[in-house]
Amino acid sequence: GEDVEQSLFLSVREGDSSVINCTYTDSSSTYLYWYKQEPGAGLQLLTYIFSNMDMKQDQRLTVLLNKKDKHLSLRIADTQTGDSAIYFCAESILRQGYSTLTFGKGTMLLVSP
Amino acid sequence: DSGVTQTPKHLITATGQRVTLRCSPRSGDLSVYWYQQSLDQGLQFLIHYYNGEERAKGNILERFSAQQFPDLHSELNLSSLELGDSALYFCASSVASGGSYEQYFGPGTRLTVT
Repeated sequence: GEDVEQSLFLSVREGDSSVINCTYTDSSSTYLYWYKQEPGAGLQLLTYIFSNMDMKQDQRLTVLLNKKDKHLSLRIADTQTGDSAIYFCAESILRQGYSTLTFGKGTMLLVSP
Repeated sequence: DSGVTQTPKHLITATGQRVTLRCSPRSGDLSVYWYQQSLDQGLQFLIHYYNGEERAKGNILERFSAQQFPDLHSELNLSSLELGDSALYFCASSVASGGSYEQYFGPGTRLTVT
């Protein structure tokens, strides 16, 4: 079955690192994504990782994937107040030539000054 | 700005009514996806079109339907509306339909059913 789980809330201080965790259940996932949603806005693609990779770094963002445990994390270095938003983890499953995304319920990140 | 546009931004209507939500994908994208976001269900995949053809269906109610036109814009039709249909409806587009093609989301249409 397809299920993506995330913790609901994370609070950090400005300048600290944030780590948002996600677990997924479908072992046939091909790609795993992180999206950011600011209040009143749509989802913004932050980064993604292919399921045969362990790590991907993109400026302040580091994605770690433990395929054995089906665990994905997003680390934001030097977190800023502008990073306050809801972060969604999503898995992409390729079936019969098309891929669909299954999203977690999102983690609300609150960054305090 | 993702390049995906959605209209209208807000829609308020009464139960039993029918509405149409519109989406224009990014230039060059052939795939359009519709999602519903609500507080209790989270973000749910509804339906996917590729170059005018339906490719996949998710948790879409029979009262809902969609289509993708030759110019690649898409419409989501919601009929016999119920209070529980109040939600944010997102459209996303991608270049193709398989593999790693990232989906880019529009700003959403907020539907309120009263």
